[in-house]
Amino acid sequence: DAGVTQSPTHLIKTRGQQVTLRCSPKSGHDTVSWYQQALGQGPQFIFQYYEEEERQRGNFPDRFSGHQFPNYSSELNVNALLLGDSALYLCASSSRPGASGGFGAETQYFGPGTRLLVL
Amino acid sequence: EDQVTQSPEALRLQEGESSSLNCSYTVSGLRGLFWYRQDPGKGPEFLFTLYSAGEEKEKERLKATLTKKESFLHITAPKPEDSATYLCAVQYGWTEGNKLTFGTGTQLKVEL
Repeated sequence: DAGVTQSPTHLIKTRGQQVTLRCSPKSGHDTVSWYQQALGQGPQFIFQYYEEEERQRGNFPDRFSGHQFPNYSSELNVNALLLGDSALYLCASSSRPGASGGFGAETQYFGPGTRLLVL
Repeated sequence: EDQVTQSPEALRLQEGESSSLNCSYTVSGLRGLFWYRQDPGKGPEFLFTLYSAGEEKEKERLKATLTKKESFLHITAPKPEDSATYLCAVQYGWTEGNKLTFGTGTQLKVEL
């Protein structure tokens, strides 16, 4: 059973450029969440997709956008890159909110991440 | 402000020296608390989900417990391969979806 996969593993960009990161969820999951993790910090929530729509968003500017495809895979796009966007970008997959019944918590499983360096 | 705080920030143990990591939270409507292990440069690896106060879960040398204000990750007789950063995260509220809010982690080093 393949776990969560992400591509590419590493990426180097310059300020002002745009980047696209990709994620395939774990088999059986339909929900994808994206997180940004700066060095020495915990992951910060960017947004969550299920049914091909953005369902929840963290405190990130509109330069961060995403997409989910019919096969549940997802892309994270970042425009006008800043030096401060350098981080490990993590994708997590889960069942959609409420799948376990009521307001029960859904466990999220993470991919290996994409290390982005902005010069 | 909703918050998750982990302590200590770093911990150095000798092999076999048991200890506990703490995760305190100040959120309303906790739906679940999660523990993850993260090795340098890699994605977090899921360890446990705890849903309600009083719940306990075990896996090999690790045991997680939950109260109404905090969670503990107990490490019994650790080995060098247990060295990693341990992250705590919560899902909470009825309008927040199921995003995870993380603490900053505890960096554990187990020495021979």
